[in-house]
Amino acid sequence: AQSVTQPDIHITVSEGASLELRCNYSYGATPYLFWYVQSPGQGLQLLLKYFSGDTLVQGIKGFEAEFKRSQSSFNLRKPSVHWSDAAEYFCAVGVRGYQKVTFGTGTKLQVIP
Amino acid sequence: DAGVIQSPRHEVTEMGQEVTLRCKPISGHNSLFWYRQTMMRGLELLIYFNNNVPIDDSGMPEDRFSAKMPNASFSTLKIQPSEPRDSAVYFCASSLVGSGYTGELFFGEGSRLTVL
Repeated sequence: AQSVTQPDIHITVSEGASLELRCNYSYGATPYLFWYVQSPGQGLQLLLKYFSGDTLVQGIKGFEAEFKRSQSSFNLRKPSVHWSDAAEYFCAVGVRGYQKVTFGTGTKLQVIP
Repeated sequence: DAGVIQSPRHEVTEMGQEVTLRCKPISGHNSLFWYRQTMMRGLELLIYFNNNVPIDDSGMPEDRFSAKMPNASFSTLKIQPSEPRDSAVYFCASSLVGSGYTGELFFGEGSRLTVL
C-alpha cells in the first residue's frame, strides 16, 4: 500500500521569504502525486498534481513542486510567501488505475510579518 | 458552478444519539468519497462510491458507521450510536472518473461533529 510522510508538522516563515515543504512517498511504481491546501474552516483545494512527464509541476498561487524519483520526494516550493499563504498543506499519493488517494498528516504554515 | 455541498456544517450531539451527515456532489461527478479528519489520525478515507455503488469501505471504523448513496446527487454518512471518539470533521469529496481521469478530488467544506 502507498504511504506519504510529511516530516514537518509546523513551519514558520517570514513574509517574502522562500518556502519548501517536504513530502516523501512510498510506492513501488510511479504514483500520482498531489498537493492540497486547507484554510481554517475550509475544505481542501488542489494546488498542483503530477502524473507523468515534466518532473517540475506548476500550480496555482505561484506554487511549484518537483518529483524526484530517486529520492521518492515531491517537495512543494514557493519563491516568496505571502501572508495569505498561511494554511495547512497536505501531500497526497494515488495509484494508477485505483482511485484511493492517501494523504499525509499535513504541514501547518505560519507566516510572520 | 456549485461545489460539493455538505450539511450540517456543525453538529453537537450527545453520546448515543444518531447522527446523519449529508453530501451533494458536484453535478456530473460519478465518484464520491467520505473522509474523516482528526488531529490524531489526520485525514482518513472512510468509504468511496463509483456510480452510486460502494467500492471500498475498508476505512469505516466499525458497524456503528454506515454510508449510502441512493442516487448520483446525494449521499449520507450515518453514525448510530455516536460516541465521543467520533468527534471529528467529516469531509465529502467528489470526482469524475473516466478517460482522462486526473485523480483530483473536490472537497466540501466539511461537517464538524462534536459528541458530548
